[in-house]
Amino acid sequence: ELKVEQNPLFLSMQEGKNYTIYCNYSTTSDRLYWYRQDPGKSLESLFVLLSNGAVKQEGRLMASLDTKARLSTLHITAAVHDLSATYFCAVDMTYSGGGADGLTFGKGTHLIIQP
Amino acid sequence: SQTIHQWPATLVQPVGSPLSLECTVEGTSNPNLYWYRQAAGRGLQLLFYSIGIDQISSEVPQNLSASRPQDRQFILSSKKLLLSDSGFYLCAWSPYIQAAEAFFGQGTRLTVV
Repeated sequence: ELKVEQNPLFLSMQEGKNYTIYCNYSTTSDRLYWYRQDPGKSLESLFVLLSNGAVKQEGRLMASLDTKARLSTLHITAAVHDLSATYFCAVDMTYSGGGADGLTFGKGTHLIIQP
Repeated sequence: SQTIHQWPATLVQPVGSPLSLECTVEGTSNPNLYWYRQAAGRGLQLLFYSIGIDQISSEVPQNLSASRPQDRQFILSSKKLLLSDSGFYLCAWSPYIQAAEAFFGQGTRLTVV
């Protein structure tokens, strides 16, 4: 059974600071996704990481994937209040073409950035 | 471009009543379709997935069922709701290819009273 663990589950930080959210998963996979969820809203796709060593950046967020360590990180640089949200990582266990087994999600990291 | 529509956005239903949530996708063919549930303070749980019309797989046994009567339509149903069915239900789709991210609908907040 695939397990996806995020930490921390809750993070309160000040604007301008840097921090990293970690996502560990329990079995071999080279496909990892990061999503953002605002309160009461649906999930918005942030990053798709499809190979070992993949790094993607969008604004103040940067995500990376180490498939050997089964670890992905989401790094926040110089945080701003607008980044306050819950961030989920998700792992895809599908190996065959047209895969549809769905994603296994971590429990999410609730991030609050204070002015 | 592809879009996903999910309705209703909010629903309050009494225990024992039936449920029908509908999700449709536009702008793509033969998508993979999913129903997820997010209980209060918890992560997302995959309930059902479908790779084609009338092809439904269930991830967890429960009081819910899913149907896919058309290629781009996915319906979540229950004959008799339980209090424990309350939660935020999300429909999602992904392209019928390997290593594709899922795109989510706006969600339905269901409260069973």
